[in-house]
Order: sequence, then C-alpha cells, then structure tokens
Amino acid sequence: DTGVSQDPRHKITKRGQNVTFRCDPISEHNRLYWYRQTLGQGPEFLTYFQNEAQLEKSRLLSDRFSAERPKGSFSTLEIQRTEQGDSAMYLCASSLVVSASANEQFFGPGTRLTVL
Amino acid sequence: GQNIDQPTEMTATEGAIVQINCTYQTSGFNGLFWYQQHAGEAPTFLSYNVLDGLEEKGRFSSFLSRSKGYSYLLLKELQMKDSASYLCAVLPNDYKLSFGAGTTVTVRA
Repeated sequence: DTGVSQDPRHKITKRGQNVTFRCDPISEHNRLYWYRQTLGQGPEFLTYFQNEAQLEKSRLLSDRFSAERPKGSFSTLEIQRTEQGDSAMYLCASSLVVSASANEQFFGPGTRLTVL
Repeated sequence: GQNIDQPTEMTATEGAIVQINCTYQTSGFNGLFWYQQHAGEAPTFLSYNVLDGLEEKGRFSSFLSRSKGYSYLLLKELQMKDSASYLCAVLPNDYKLSFGAGTTVTVRA
C-alpha cells in the first residue's frame, strides 16, 4: 500500500454511459497525475495537477475526458459517453515536488474500466 | 515524442541473475526510474538514476549511461516473487514521465 487510494477498483459500464473515478493522493503531496494503461503496455500520461491547477493534458485526453482537483487534495476523472476503446486501467499517482527536480511518483492500485 | 525500448519478456531460474536493458531517446533528460508491477497491481518504485553509474539497493541494482541513452536493471538471487513486469520510465524536459512497454520477467524453479 503506497498511501494513494483509488475508487472504484473495478467499473463495468455500457457504451455511451458516463463514469467518474476518484483518487486520494498522499496527503502532503502537491502533484497528482492520471495515467492510462492497457494490457502489455506501460502507463501513458493523461494529465497532471500542481495543487488545484491542471497544468497539462495529453492529446490522448479527448473532449470526453475531464479531470478536476477542486481543493488541491483528491481528484476525479470523468469520462463521458464511454467507448469500448476507453477500456483500460486508469492509474493515479502523486508526488511531492519542492523544486524543478525529479521525484518519485507513488501509484494507486488503479481503476479497471470495462466498457461493454 | 519519447522513445523507450526494453525487451518484452525474459525468463530466468530461481537464484540466477537477470539484466533488463532499456534504451531511450527523449526530449531532454531529468532522470530514469525503474518500477516493478505485478499483474493487476500498481507500479511500485524500485530505483532512480540521474547521474551516470551504478546504484545498488539490496538484490536490485540500476545503471545509467546518459551519453549512450542506456540503462539496465540487474536482479540478483532471483526469487519466485520477482516474477513481474519491470517498467523503465524517463523524465524528459516537460517532466511528464514516459514509460516503456515493460519487460515481463518469469522466474522458474
């Protein structure tokens, strides 16, 4: 257990439905990241937050995806009008960054999404 | 984009040594990470290299050569529990961690 939690752990939904995932990072961590991982691949960056500000979004993140971190603590990732291609593991990670240096990211257990 | 290459699979015997190579071409370099990921679980941190040389941590060691764009992870005295995927990840100039596809290591008795 890294201290990063995600909910739910598994989600099965029908194509066209909306889904929302939650991530609770390690409490003192100021950066929060979302990744997507498909079978046999490494995680792919989606977006990240510095405190409550969303600093970057990958082009992988279509208009159907939105992420928030309203109070600089937990974050939500919403996918609207889900498609079968959205089926993947969605990973959240957090880190403490105090300067322009690299810091270890701690990953949560992930939310596995299956779109039928 | 970033390009990170590592072998897809490796198999070794319990008690043996395995070396997982990783080559990378990225826009800038701010460090290289190795993560371990068991099936269905989150990646867990193993090592971080930002300067050339070898970093040793128990049974695991990681090496970096920035001029060659090359790293390896060395697993010694392999145990059955070491069967997992090992992910090489590079932090380029934009600080967005970029992962390789992972190397699945199978340890046989």
